[in-house]
Amino acid sequence: GAVVSQHPSRVICKSGTSVKIECRSLDFQATTMFWYRQFPKQSLMLMATSNEGSKATYEQGVEKDKFLINHASLTLSTLTVTSAHPEDSSFYICSARGTAYSPLHFGNGTRLTVT
Amino acid sequence: KNEVEQSPQNLTAQEGEFITINCSYSVGISALHWLQQHPGGGIVSLFMLSSGKKKHGRLIATINIQEKHSSLHITASHPRDSAVYICAVRYNYGGSQGNLIFGKGTKLSVKP
Repeated sequence: GAVVSQHPSRVICKSGTSVKIECRSLDFQATTMFWYRQFPKQSLMLMATSNEGSKATYEQGVEKDKFLINHASLTLSTLTVTSAHPEDSSFYICSARGTAYSPLHFGNGTRLTVT
Repeated sequence: KNEVEQSPQNLTAQEGEFITINCSYSVGISALHWLQQHPGGGIVSLFMLSSGKKKHGRLIATINIQEKHSSLHITASHPRDSAVYICAVRYNYGGSQGNLIFGKGTKLSVKP
């Protein structure tokens, strides 16, 4: 079946540095990819939606200059957390789909810890 | 207020029991997803529903559009079913990219 690969699975970085998370669709073309954040014992929260070749659409309250999203190809989207702070420590998950009503496929998530 | 309500929040069952997890939402939707989140955080999409009922192995998902309610059933539960089950809906609104609103999840523990 379709697989979405997310990398890295865990990352620890120092405050002020930037971290890039990759989300790849391995056997289908993902026209749309979504990025979510999940704090401990909380719901998944959508951060942004990215369509291949277009600028990402960010949810209210998500800083687009801090969370840079690039979806340059039909199989790859990246989320870069810039100038990371400890409060950015969270679990970040991507999902991808082909057409508008195709099933969603999720990555395994990235545990980010900012020290 | 979360627009997607799940119950129960926590559920402990004995192996073999029949399990039901419920999900209610507030307005019209175009699709409802049931997701399974493993302890490590990885998520598997179990079902996507817009009406009726779907079955996959020991899992059954139903949705009642009029009552704005969906249930996920697990028959003959097994310890490997232990996970967090999440309901997510895609609302009907103009220009939607299909964004999902997630419930808080139901943590299921199946004891041997």
